[in-house]
Parts: sequence; structure tokens; C-alpha cells
Amino acid sequence: DAGVTQSPTHLIKTRGQQVTLRCSPKSGHDTVSWYQQALGQGPQFIFQYYEEEERQRGNFPDRFSGHQFPNYSSELNVNALWLGDSALYLCASSSLSGGLEAFFGQGTRLTVV
Amino acid sequence: GDSVTQMEGPVTLSEEAFLTINCTYTATGYPSLFWYVQYPGEGLQLLLKATKADDKGSNKGFEATYRKETTSFHLEKGSVQVSDSAVYFCALSEVQGAQKLVFGQGTRLTINP
Repeated sequence: DAGVTQSPTHLIKTRGQQVTLRCSPKSGHDTVSWYQQALGQGPQFIFQYYEEEERQRGNFPDRFSGHQFPNYSSELNVNALWLGDSALYLCASSSLSGGLEAFFGQGTRLTVV
Repeated sequence: GDSVTQMEGPVTLSEEAFLTINCTYTATGYPSLFWYVQYPGEGLQLLLKATKADDKGSNKGFEATYRKETTSFHLEKGSVQVSDSAVYFCALSEVQGAQKLVFGQGTRLTINP
């Protein structure tokens, strides 16, 4: 079992550009959540996808959007990048039938210059 | 809204010392509580959890007890090892099954041989 995989691992973008991050959940998981972890801070919830729909959303602007595919994989899109969007983006997968444990990927380190 | 407050770090201890990392929370309902650990260059791993008052979560020698009266979930270990060096995050999930996690800011722990 490969666990939760995220790509790319590192990314450098320029202010104003758009970025797409990808996540493949752990086998058997149907729910994907995205978190933003700024340097030295705890992760902040962005949104959660289940059955290809956004189920919950945190306090993030509409520049942050996502998608879940029929195979449960997910994308996080960020438009009009700001310097403040520089962070580690973590994907977590879980199963509504599998209890409370969320499994995290290693994250994508996004740097906006 | 819900929030988690952790003991500020960094914390530096000698091998075999006793560890306590304090965590308190604010929530409107009856959350589930978690400790996650993040080793350098890796994603978050669930260390232990507790789902109701007076529950004790334990794993790898770490323990934490869900104290509703003091809204606390302090992490303890009797004898730390160099391999325990990592960042520790306390977190809560308000709604069972929804699995949206609210994290504290993290505590960096360094164990010296």
C-alpha cells in the first residue's frame, strides 16, 4: 500500500501565477482533505472532498479551489498566487466507514517568489 | 470557533528524561482529540487519539488522557529517546466522521544523547 501520495514534492511559482497540486489517497479511502501549513505553524484546513463534491470548507478565499475525481484522487488549485501562499500543502485521506484516522501525505512545498 | 493551544517550544531534553507537552482546547461540543507527530521532511503521522472524556490514548510509550473538566489533552512519555525528536501537534475533530482537524501550532522537541 503506497499510502497517500502527493505531487510534485516541491514547486516554485511567481506571484500572480496559478498552481495545481495533486493527491492520490490511500487505497480504500474515499475522502480527501487539504491543509495549508505555513512555516512554524500548525496545518490549517482548506477543504474536504467526498463523492466528488466539496463537503466542508475552511476560511480560505475563492482563489483556492479543488476537485475530486471518480477514482477519489484530488487536485488543489490556487489562482493569482500571493507571496503569502508559500507553504507546505498537505493532503489527508480517510474513509467515512473507517473511523477517525486521517492519513497524511508528505506534502508539496510551494514557494511563491 | 474551535481552537487548540499548545505549549510553546522548542523543548530540549536529555535522553531518558520525562516529557510533558501541554495541550488545551476550546470546543462547543464533545470533540475527539489527537496527537500527531511530524518527523523532518515527512508528513503527519497519528500518534494517539481519544474520543471521549477520561479516555487514555497510548502508543510507542506516549500517553495522553482526555480531561473534559480542564479541557486538556497533555502528552507524556516517561523516558524519551533521540528518535523522538520531531514536531508534535495536538488536534481536535468536532464532528465524528467529518474528520476536519483543527491543529495547535506545534511543539518542536529535540532530544540530546
